[in-house]
Amino acid sequence: DSGVTQTPKHLITATGQRVTLRCSPRSGDLSVYWYQQSLDQGLQFLIQYYNGEERAKGNILERFSAQQFPDLHSELNLSSLELGDSALYFCASSPRDRGRYGYTFGSGTRLTVV
Amino acid sequence: DQQVKQNSPSLSVQEGRISILNCDYTNSMFDYFLWYKKYPAEGPTFLISISSIKDKNEDGRFTVFLNKSAKHLSLHIVPSQPGDSAVYFCAALSNFGNEKLTFGTGTRLTIIP
Repeated sequence: DSGVTQTPKHLITATGQRVTLRCSPRSGDLSVYWYQQSLDQGLQFLIQYYNGEERAKGNILERFSAQQFPDLHSELNLSSLELGDSALYFCASSPRDRGRYGYTFGSGTRLTVV
Repeated sequence: DQQVKQNSPSLSVQEGRISILNCDYTNSMFDYFLWYKKYPAEGPTFLISISSIKDKNEDGRFTVFLNKSAKHLSLHIVPSQPGDSAVYFCAALSNFGNEKLTFGTGTRLTIIP
């Protein structure tokens, strides 16, 4: 157990639907990062939150949004889902807003859009 | 634009031999590099890192080498063990901004008993 909890582990939904992925960071970590891993692709950075504030955005679609709550857990909202959104979505946390202090990853949510 | 590249999608190595995984990068602002290991159904776990002020970092069976002029790094695993079979991701950080990790596409290492 890495200390980063992601729920649900698996999600199957239809095109056009909306889903919410949840991440609880490791105790004491203030930063949360979301990454997407599509088939045979590396981990693509989506968005980072630090202590409740958005800190950086990557290749995140406008249909996707995220937030970090006062208790530091984060949610990634995916709407108007398309087949191409099927992927593994990873959350990672780190103690500060600088990644070199170490990322800890959760085990991911596998999203299948049918 | 893939700033971190792992050109070998897969690699098979005999148990006990050396495994060498390679990674190239294009962004000269990257100054810190990490290797992550990933087993199926798990998230990536940190393995070893190196700062751009060094050219080698060693941790047990794992050694990372950095060639800044070539923008190339490699991970050596000696001796390779069956438990090393996993996907290995190279990642890089820039000392500018928030330092998000930029990952390569991964290399699947299979250790043959």
